[in-house]
Amino acid sequence: NAGVTQTPKFQVLKTGQSMTLQCAQDMNHNSMYWYRQDPGMGLRLIYYSASEGTTDKGEVPNGYNVSRLNKREFSLRLESAAPSQTSVYFCASSQNPTGPQPQHFGDGTRLSIL
Amino acid sequence: AQSVTQPDIHITVSEGASLELRCNYSYGATPYLFWYVQSPGQGLQLLLKYFSGDTLVQGIKGFEAEFKRSQSSFNLRKPSVHWSDAAEYFCAVGASGYSTLTFGKGTMLLVSP
Repeated sequence: NAGVTQTPKFQVLKTGQSMTLQCAQDMNHNSMYWYRQDPGMGLRLIYYSASEGTTDKGEVPNGYNVSRLNKREFSLRLESAAPSQTSVYFCASSQNPTGPQPQHFGDGTRLSIL
Repeated sequence: AQSVTQPDIHITVSEGASLELRCNYSYGATPYLFWYVQSPGQGLQLLLKYFSGDTLVQGIKGFEAEFKRSQSSFNLRKPSVHWSDAAEYFCAVGASGYSTLTFGKGTMLLVSP
């Protein structure tokens, strides 16, 4: 039972490079989320997809794009990476697109931008 | 919009002692409340949730939380802390009609021998 799988687990980029973070869930959940976690800041929502075919901005969307490829997969793209995007990125999923349900998290991608 | 405050950034508790982590929320209607735990290098794991009904909620690993509407609080408790409970704890709030959650900034729990 994999749950939410994120790849890669670690990545180092140079400023200006592009990168796509991958996320897949096998729980048949409708909603998927991307967060970033920075020291002392908790988790901040970047983008989410309440259901297949929809995406919406969260609290900190600037510099990111997302694609809900199908019900299982939700990717996060950095088109031109900046040092301020050094962070730990978490993908999560939940069942109900119309109400708050427990979110299930992946183990994160640790991204450093030099 | 809803918000969550976890007043304590760090808490140190002796092994075997009781624990209470504070969480205050701001939301006009009945909130949906969650506590998560994060061990180093891991993702977040759900400890417990409150949607409605009994205001004292039991979770995994011996944790419980009490919803107090009058105080806008949802504090997490454990009667006897184990060294393996050392981790970061996050409180989160959700609103009816929306799938998103708002997380607090977390409380780091240190357990001393």
